[in-house]
Amino acid sequence: KAGVTQTPRYLIKTRGQQVTLSCSPISGHRSVSWYQQTPGQGLQFLFEYFSETQRNKGNFPGRFSGRQFSNSRSEMNVSTLELGDSALYLCASRWDGTTDTQYFGPGTRLTVL
Amino acid sequence: AQRVTQPEKLLSVFKGAPVELKCNYSYSGSPELFWYVQYSRQRLQLLLRHISRESIKGFTADLNKGETSFHLKKPFAQEEDSAMYYCALSGLAGGTSYGKLTFGQGTILTVHP
Repeated sequence: KAGVTQTPRYLIKTRGQQVTLSCSPISGHRSVSWYQQTPGQGLQFLFEYFSETQRNKGNFPGRFSGRQFSNSRSEMNVSTLELGDSALYLCASRWDGTTDTQYFGPGTRLTVL
Repeated sequence: AQRVTQPEKLLSVFKGAPVELKCNYSYSGSPELFWYVQYSRQRLQLLLRHISRESIKGFTADLNKGETSFHLKKPFAQEEDSAMYYCALSGLAGGTSYGKLTFGQGTILTVHP
C-alpha cells in the first residue's frame, strides 16, 4: 500500500496570508491526525478527524482548522499566518482511530516570512 | 494535564554497549505508551507500544506505573540505531482520546563505531 502523502512538501508564505495543507491517508484508513513540529515546542497535536468529524483537538488558536472529506483525505488551514507558525506539519493516518498504529507522512515544511 | 519528559536531549554510546533512553510521564488515568523513531531522512515511525509487549530491533520498554516511567532499552547498541527517539502517550485504546498523542522532546541517539 502507498504510504501517507502530504502536499505540498514545502511552502513559503508571508505574514497575514492563509495556507491550506493536504494529507492523503493510507487507503482504507479513516482517521487522520495532524501535528506541528518545531525546534522549540517539539511535536504538538493539532487535531484528529475520523469519518469527517473532528474527534480530538489540541491547544491551538482558532486560526488553525481542519476538515476531512468522505474519501478520508484531510486538509488543514491556517489563517492570518504568524512568524511562529513556521514549522513542519505532519499528518498521520490509522484505520479506526481507537486501537491501531498511526502511520506518519513526510510532512509539509511551512516557512512564514 | 498530560506530559512526557525525556531528560536527555543527546545520548552517545559505542557500538556493542547497552543503551537506555529515559522517559517519564504524567497522566490522570491509565495511558497507552509508545516509542517512535525517526531515522535520518525518514518518516516518524512506531518502534514499539507497551501493550504489545514485543521486542523490536532488540529494543524493549517496560511500563513502570509506580515510577511513571517507560524507559527504552537495548543490551547491545548498533550503529544503525542512531536516530531520534520520541516517547509518546495517549488515552487508552478503544477510547476517543486514543488518537491524541503527546510527545516528549526527543532524544538523539548516536552510536559510535
